[in-house]
Amino acid sequence: AQSVTQLDSQVPVFEEAPVELRCNYSSSVSVYLFWYVQYPNQGLQLLLKYLSGSTLVESINGFEAEFNKSQTSFHLRKPSVHISDTAEYFCAVSAGEYGNKLVFGAGTILRVKS
Amino acid sequence: DTEVTQTPKHLVMGMTNKKSLKCEQHMGHRAMYWYKQKAKKPPELMFVYSYEKLSINESVPSRFSPECPNSSLLNLHLHALQPEDSALYLCASSLRGELSDTQYFGPGTRLTVL
Repeated sequence: AQSVTQLDSQVPVFEEAPVELRCNYSSSVSVYLFWYVQYPNQGLQLLLKYLSGSTLVESINGFEAEFNKSQTSFHLRKPSVHISDTAEYFCAVSAGEYGNKLVFGAGTILRVKS
Repeated sequence: DTEVTQTPKHLVMGMTNKKSLKCEQHMGHRAMYWYKQKAKKPPELMFVYSYEKLSINESVPSRFSPECPNSSLLNLHLHALQPEDSALYLCASSLRGELSDTQYFGPGTRLTVL
């Protein structure tokens, strides 16, 4: 059974518009949540992560994500996107019930148009 | 040095060939990972080494053979592969292999099996 669901396979958006990439997870225990970005023909880069504490986490390039335990969500947002944000974004969860490994969602391709 | 390096970047091999992929990190990390990523799919975990010992094998076929000669180096030996094994092979490392660790990914080796 899929433990991380990314509801949108592709999200087209115009430059300078806001965007939200959705992520829901299923786990009955404490989780650690991550967002990674993958540019074409490259490896994955960590964008941000939630371990504990404040439910709102931010990255250095303007992205933020909010951990919502009651809705089991960890949606990624940016108030104003740039062409350079075009990439594939993966939500991932780490939890003991998955055998001490990182499990990825299917990914969302963000296409920023001028 | 916050980098994971992988060689080669591209590899084309026949089904009877034997080849190896190499991964290196000098961040003092004690956990290293191999992932396989098919086109338009998320990465899937293959193996985890923790403190140079194999801790997770995700039921990977024996034609893939991992090796961790020391804490900085991870190899993946390939033999008698099938065309469906063509994919991007990603290496990652993390500090201790704990659930809360951030995994740092290399750029990947794009493998084509003819």
